[in-house]
Amino acid sequence: KQEVTQIPAALSVPEGENLVLNCSFTDSAIYNLQWFRQDPGKGLTSLLLIQSSQREQTSGRLNASLDKSSGRSTLYIAASQPGDSATYLCAVMILTGGGNKLTFGTGTQLKVEL
Amino acid sequence: DGGITQSPKYLFRKEGQNVTLSCEQNLNHDAMYWYRQDPGQGLRLIYYSQIVNDFQKGDIAEGYSVSREKKESFPLTVTSAQKNPTAFYLCASRISPQGLGGYTFGSGTRLTVV
Repeated sequence: KQEVTQIPAALSVPEGENLVLNCSFTDSAIYNLQWFRQDPGKGLTSLLLIQSSQREQTSGRLNASLDKSSGRSTLYIAASQPGDSATYLCAVMILTGGGNKLTFGTGTQLKVEL
Repeated sequence: DGGITQSPKYLFRKEGQNVTLSCEQNLNHDAMYWYRQDPGQGLRLIYYSQIVNDFQKGDIAEGYSVSREKKESFPLTVTSAQKNPTAFYLCASRISPQGLGGYTFGSGTRLTVV
């Protein structure tokens, strides 16, 4: 059974700091990995999608890497801003006979302080 | 703009009552999903549908029912058999059950038992 772990569970940093969020998964036979952002009481916003054949994806100040063999992904946020405060979730997708299955981590709650 | 619309945003249910959560998408996506989110837990899959008039149980389907009569719509009914329905419910879609695309999520419905 695929298990996804995110460390740390919570993180507080001063504005402007570069930071790394970690995601690990137990079964390396994944199809892709997706990073999401969730604001309190809101739905999930997709940030980056990395296919299993890719090593990294970038969007603005965000960079996500994937090391499938070691079961790890990192989300790097450059020059953090208070608006980055949210919960960040990673999810891995595997293919099953019935289509596909997405397994989520429990998230990292980020607070960026002025 | 294309997206997923969930309604209502907040829903209150009395003991023994069935309630239906709406999910509509105009993305022309084939696959649709319902997840439940509880504090401190990752999202858990309730039901999913890969195509119109077809759906499968996810990991926690007991006490829930769905229908997929139209491609755009995937309503979730929380029945009286669901003993602990208070949670945040998220609907998602994907362009196809297979393929390279990621998931798109709605803004969620918060259900509370009163």
